[in-house]
Amino acid sequence: GNSVTQMEGPVTLSEEAFLTINCTYTATGYPSLFWYVQYPGEGLQLLLKATKADDKGSNKGFEATYRKETTSFHLEKGSVQVSDSAVYFCALSDADQLTFGKGTKLSVIP
Amino acid sequence: KAGVTQTPRYLIKTRGQQVTLSCSPISGHRSVSWYQQTPGQGLQFLFEYFSETQRNKGNFPGRFSGRQFSNSRSEMNVSTLELGDSALYLCASSRAPQGLTLYNEQFFGPGTRLTVL
Repeated sequence: GNSVTQMEGPVTLSEEAFLTINCTYTATGYPSLFWYVQYPGEGLQLLLKATKADDKGSNKGFEATYRKETTSFHLEKGSVQVSDSAVYFCALSDADQLTFGKGTKLSVIP
Repeated sequence: KAGVTQTPRYLIKTRGQQVTLSCSPISGHRSVSWYQQTPGQGLQFLFEYFSETQRNKGNFPGRFSGRQFSNSRSEMNVSTLELGDSALYLCASSRAPQGLTLYNEQFFGPGTRLTVL
């Protein structure tokens, strides 16, 4: 079956630091890949997505590139802010369902 | 446009009881999916409904059931509650069923926090 593996954290960074959250996946076929973010006390929000190999999703300064050869979709941001503190989920979607990683908690300190 | 709403937001039950959670999707969305979120297991897919029909089901016991009404609102029921059912239950809606990658962006509600004592 499908699976998503992401670094579990927690990750603590200082403001303006560079962020990378690793995500790799296992899937049959050609899934779409997503990053969702969950702020404290809220549901999940779609952060970015990529639907085919070599696509780059980007939003709010975050980026991730769909790498089919390494089955990866790592999330990056050049300069994090305190407001980026949240839990980040990598996910994939195929014909059946959305499969999530365990989530990575990010804390950004001033 | 109003987002996905879930009621109630918080619920406390005791073992053996049953519970019903409600989800109202975004207007125009016909697909509703349910997820269970726990610290240990993360986010796990429960089931998806589209046009009042269960389209897909995750690996949960039969105590977990759901339904969808003609207005796309959905309810999830858990019977004979166990301590391990304590979780955040998230509902997500989308225009089309999961798997149609061009249109299947899912919008999540804030969740219902269920505590089983």
